[in-house]
This record gives sequence, structure tokens and C-alpha cells, in this order.
Amino acid sequence: DAGVIQSPRHEVTEMGQEVTLRCKPISGHDYLFWYRQTMMRGLELLIYFNNNVPIDDSGMPEDRFSAKMPNASFSTLKIQPSEPRDSAVYFCASSRDRNTGELFFGEGSRLTVL
Amino acid sequence: SQQGEEDPQALSIQEGENATMNCSYKTSINNLQWYRQNSGRGLVHLILIRSNEREKHSGRLRVTLDTSKKSSSLLITASRAADTASYFCATTGNQFYFGTGTSLTVIP
Repeated sequence: DAGVIQSPRHEVTEMGQEVTLRCKPISGHDYLFWYRQTMMRGLELLIYFNNNVPIDDSGMPEDRFSAKMPNASFSTLKIQPSEPRDSAVYFCASSRDRNTGELFFGEGSRLTVL
Repeated sequence: SQQGEEDPQALSIQEGENATMNCSYKTSINNLQWYRQNSGRGLVHLILIRSNEREKHSGRLRVTLDTSKKSSSLLITASRAADTASYFCATTGNQFYFGTGTSLTVIP
């Protein structure tokens, strides 16, 4: 298996622009997580899905952030409009089991908002 | 952080020495996991310890768990330069939360 695949790996955009980050989880994993990592706040859980359904989005910082999972093999995290404080590394991870399974992480998408 | 704290935040040791990192968490858990992150990369799972276990070994890794103190420790024995990375604990209860991480530097 190719592992969790994220794109783009790097994104530089200007404030106010829309940003879309993409994730392909490992086949057969029913859980998908989006995390944000910054030096100041560490790893923050933004949202997670089970069988394509959003279960908990309490970590999504604002209405500017939205996430979708239209099918079992694809998820997007969208920021519209983007702001400089959104600059971070965004990780997608998938798991077979929420409670006992390990998380498999993608390599992350490094976002810089100017 | 949303759940736990690692201690120390940074650790620098000589190759061959042992490295110990601690993790404290806030709520009840199902299990606790340790992950490693090399610079610029995603996190990689190292080891999982269940809430009813007290100690677990995997190669040069030894993990302990004290649920009464809500704490865990990760020991890396005979460290190598390639162990240089950040190490995170993650707790699973209602959520999957990560601690703040310990940055380990192993000097050759």
C-alpha cells in the first residue's frame, strides 16, 4: 500500500485566497483525521471522519475551515478565505480502528499564507 | 495541548546513552501510543500500551504506563544518531490527542 497520500506538499498563497488540501487514506481504513501542527500549539485535532461521516469537528478553528469526505478514498480540507495565522503543516491520518489502531500519517501539507 | 504534555521539551544526549521521555495526560484512556516524527516528515507509530498494561517492550523501546498518575514514559536504550527526532505520546479515549512532544538530539 502506498500509505496516506497528501497534496500539495507545499502551498504558498496570499491572504484571502482559497486553499484546498487533499488526502487519500489507506484503503480499508474507516477513520480519517485532519491535524494541524504549529510550533506554538503543537498537533491539534481539527476533525475526524468515520465511514466518510464527520464525527467531531469541534477542533475546526473557524467557519473559514471546512472538510469533506465524499467517498472512502478522498478527503479535502478547505480554508476560505485564508489568513497568515493559518500557516502551519496540515496532516491527514487514517486508522482502521479509532480506539486501538495506530494512526498512519501522510507527509503533510506545509501551508504558508502571506 | 488538547490532552497531554511531554517532558522534557528537549533532550540532548550522547550516542549510546539512554533517553527517557515522560508524558502526562488529563482524562481516562483506552490506550496510549508513542509516535516519532523526523524533521519535515509525518508521524510514525512506535508502540501502543493498553490501559490495563503497565510495561511493554519493543526492541530498544520500553514504555511504562501509570494510569493512577495519568503518566507514561518512553525509554530508548543505547541511543543512536538516527534516533534524533521528536517523540509524541497520543491518548485514545473519546478522541485521538497528541502531547506537545519531546525533541531528542543524539550526538554521534
